[in-house]
Formats: sequence, structure tokens, C-alpha cells
Amino acid sequence: AQKVTQAQTEISVVEKEDVTLDCVYETRDTTYYLFWYKQPPSGELVFLIRRNSFDEQNEISGRYSWNFQKSTSSFNFTITASQVVDSAVYFCASDKLIFGTGTRLQVFP
Amino acid sequence: EAQVTQNPRYLITVTGKKLTVTCSQNMNHEYMSWYRQDPGLGLRQIYYSMNVEVTDKGDVPEGYKVSRKEKRNFPLILESPSPNQTSLYFCASRGQGASHAGELFFGEGSRLTVL
Repeated sequence: AQKVTQAQTEISVVEKEDVTLDCVYETRDTTYYLFWYKQPPSGELVFLIRRNSFDEQNEISGRYSWNFQKSTSSFNFTITASQVVDSAVYFCASDKLIFGTGTRLQVFP
Repeated sequence: EAQVTQNPRYLITVTGKKLTVTCSQNMNHEYMSWYRQDPGLGLRQIYYSMNVEVTDKGDVPEGYKVSRKEKRNFPLILESPSPNQTSLYFCASRGQGASHAGELFFGEGSRLTVL
């Protein structure tokens, strides 16, 4: 069975700091997808990114970047120069729709 | 606008009083699912549906029922709510796409309190 672990329950940083959110997954599938979702204080869940197991290239989108490493079964998410608006709960998830327990990020001005 | 709509958004009820949380999507998605979100536990799947008239249990189905009579609707039914069902509930949908590749589209959430 698949499993997704987000060991960091809560992270606090000051604005402009870089922060990395960890995600470790377990799967027996040879082909799979991984996802990150964001839940801002308003409560909605927003899709951020999808990666497939064939593509280990890092993905960058503005201040966001994702590091996918099959060797360590990790799919980590880095926010560069964090901003207050990045404050949210971030969920990592598998394509079997197994979610991690989430990491609450608080960015202070 | 593509969206998943849940109702009600907020509800306070009492133990044993049947309630239904509706969910509707306008994206013609085959797959729909219900989750509950509780502090420290993340999102846990209650039930899901791969298509009309096809439903299956998720990780925490006890105390819930669902139905999928139409493609766009996937109501969550609590026949006899109990306080441990106090939670934030999300409905989600996705297109089947290529082997689970599609991302989930979520409703805005329904906060349920059972007294």
C-alpha cells in the first residue's frame, strides 16, 4: 500500500527566508504520480504540482521548486524568499489519493 | 467556471439527526471522493466513486453513506451523526485521465459540528 509521510508538523520562518517542506513516500508501483496541494488560512485546497515517476528533474515555478529523488523516495518542496502569503498548510499526496498529514508553514513579517 | 460545490458550508446539528452534505461538479469528471480533515490527521478518504453507480469505501467509511446516481452529484449522508463526526469535510473530483495522473479539484469544504 502507498504511504505518504510529512514529518514536519509545523515550520515557522521569517519573511525572505528559504524553507523546505519534506515529503517521503512509499509505493510498490513502478509508475506513479506525486502531488502537492496548498491550503491557505481561508481553507480551500489548491493544486500546486504533479510529477510522474519517470521525471526526476527538478521543477521550478517562480519562488517554488520541487526536488524529486527516487533514490530516497522523497518529493520535497522549497519556497525561496518566503512571503507572508505563503503561510498555509501544505499537503503531499500520492496518485492513489493518499495524503500526508500536512505541514503548517507560518511566515512572519 | 469549473468548480466543485458543496452545501452546506457550515452546519451544527445534534446527535442522531440525519443529514446530507451535497456535492456537485460541473467538469464532467468520472471520479469523485469525500474526505474529512482533522487536526494532526491530514485528509482521510471516506468514500469514492469511479463513475455513476460505482462507489467504494475509503479509509474511514464508518458512519457514512454515499450515492452516485448522476455523474455530477455525490452526496455524503450521515444517517445518525455522532460527535466524533465533527470535522471539516471536502468533496473532490478529477478526470480519469491517464492512470491517476489527474489532480483533484476540491470543494470549499463543509464544517460540521455534531453536539
